[in-house]
Amino acid sequence: GAVVSQHPSWVICKSGTSVKIECRSLDFQATTMFWYRQFPKQSLMLMATSNEGSKATYEQGVEKDKFLINHASLTLSTLTVTSAHPEDSSFYICSATRAGDEQYFGPGTRLTVT
Amino acid sequence: RKEVEQDPGPFNVPEGATVAFNCTYSNSASQSFFWYRQDCRKEPKLLMSVYSSGNEDGRFTAQLNRASQYISLLIRDSKLSDSATYLCVVRVGTSGSARQLTFGSGTQLTVLP
Repeated sequence: GAVVSQHPSWVICKSGTSVKIECRSLDFQATTMFWYRQFPKQSLMLMATSNEGSKATYEQGVEKDKFLINHASLTLSTLTVTSAHPEDSSFYICSATRAGDEQYFGPGTRLTVT
Repeated sequence: RKEVEQDPGPFNVPEGATVAFNCTYSNSASQSFFWYRQDCRKEPKLLMSVYSSGNEDGRFTAQLNRASQYISLLIRDSKLSDSATYLCVVRVGTSGSARQLTFGSGTQLTVLP
């Protein structure tokens, strides 16, 4: 099956700093990667859709200047949370898909901003 | 109105019980339907796709009613290991942004010994 990894699995940072989260498809080339955020006891909310080599498409209400997405290759996408604040503390999950295929989810990154 | 709505839960059932989850979706253009399972602090994992004719996978049976825009999941002979949050998920299409998945808020199931 398709494997997607995320790094780091958890991170604690101070308010005002930036955090980068990596999402990698390990055994396939992902045409599209998705970034989700999940707050406690809530469902996954799509933040942005990222296609290799092009700008990410952000969902309404998601600040593109705060959540920087780079999709430089078919196996790697990064999400950088800039100037993080405590309200950005959440579970960030990426998924990757081949054309028309199901989405394969990474194990998630738990971000805590103090 | 949420795009995908589920039973609020939580459901606490004894081992061996049969439990049913319901879900409704608002976008009539939705084409694909799924049930995912999410364990605490883990990523969601695909449990099964849902087809109009209904489909079964072992103890799990999924039903879809397009006219009512309603999806269900039935778990028979529930096991302790079934304890998780069950997410109802829909997708509008298969290309471009339509491939995005829309998740329900999930229904928490706890199977008690």
